[in-house]
Amino acid sequence: EVQLVQSGAEVKKPGEALKISCKASGYRFTSYWIGWVRQMPGKGLEWMGVIYPHDSDTRYSPSFQGQVTISADKSISTAYLQWSSLKASDTAIYFCAKHGAAFDLWGQGTMVTVSS
Amino acid sequence: QSALTQPASVSGSPGQSITISCTGTSSDVGNYDLVSWYQQHPGKAPKLIISEVTKRPSGVSNRFSGSKSGNTASLTISGLQADDEADYYCCSYAGSNTFGVFGGGTKVTVL
Repeated sequence: EVQLVQSGAEVKKPGEALKISCKASGYRFTSYWIGWVRQMPGKGLEWMGVIYPHDSDTRYSPSFQGQVTISADKSISTAYLQWSSLKASDTAIYFCAKHGAAFDLWGQGTMVTVSS
Repeated sequence: QSALTQPASVSGSPGQSITISCTGTSSDVGNYDLVSWYQQHPGKAPKLIISEVTKRPSGVSNRFSGSKSGNTASLTISGLQADDEADYYCCSYAGSNTFGVFGGGTKVTVL
C-alpha cells in the first residue's frame, strides 16, 4: 500500500529540540520530492519546504528558512522535520506529503504542542 | 513569498455550481501550469483534487474542475453535495528556490 505514516503527537516545552518523522512505503522513495506543510490551530496550510531524497537537495520557504531543518534517510525511506529550539508559536499540526506535480499523497499529520 | 489570495468563504445550495478563485502573480500562478487544489474536511489530512491546473486524480469526482486565466486559477464544483462542505486550498509552483505557495483557504458551505 502506498502511504506515508508520521510519528505520534508531541508535547514539548519552549527551548526544547524535536525531530518528527514521516515513513514512506509502496513507492520509490528516492524518485519524488517530499515536503512538509504546517497548519496552525484553526488556520490554513503553509508550505514549509521540500527535500529530494535521492540527493538530499532541500528547498525552504523563506518563512521557514533557518527555523527548521528538513532531512531524509533513504536507507529507511523516512523524511524528518526538526527544530533545535521550539517556541510556543510552533504549536501546530505538521503534515508530510509526497510531491509529484502536486502533493498527491499525505501523511496523517503530527500534532506538536509547545507549552510551558 | 506571499500567500495566494482566495475568498474566505463561498456557499451554495445542493445541486448548484460554485467557483473558488485563487489569485497569484506572474511569479507563480501566471508563470506555471502547476496549480493544484486540495480539499480538507475537519480533522483530516488534505486531499488532492486537481493538479496541473485541470487534471483530476483517479477517484476524484468529475464534478470538480479547474481552470486558469492569467494570474488567477479557479476551482469549480458542480452539482454541489453535502459532502463538499470543507475547506479548499489552492497551491502553485513558485520557482526552483521557493518551490511552492498555498492560498489562504476557502470554506465552502452547503446551504
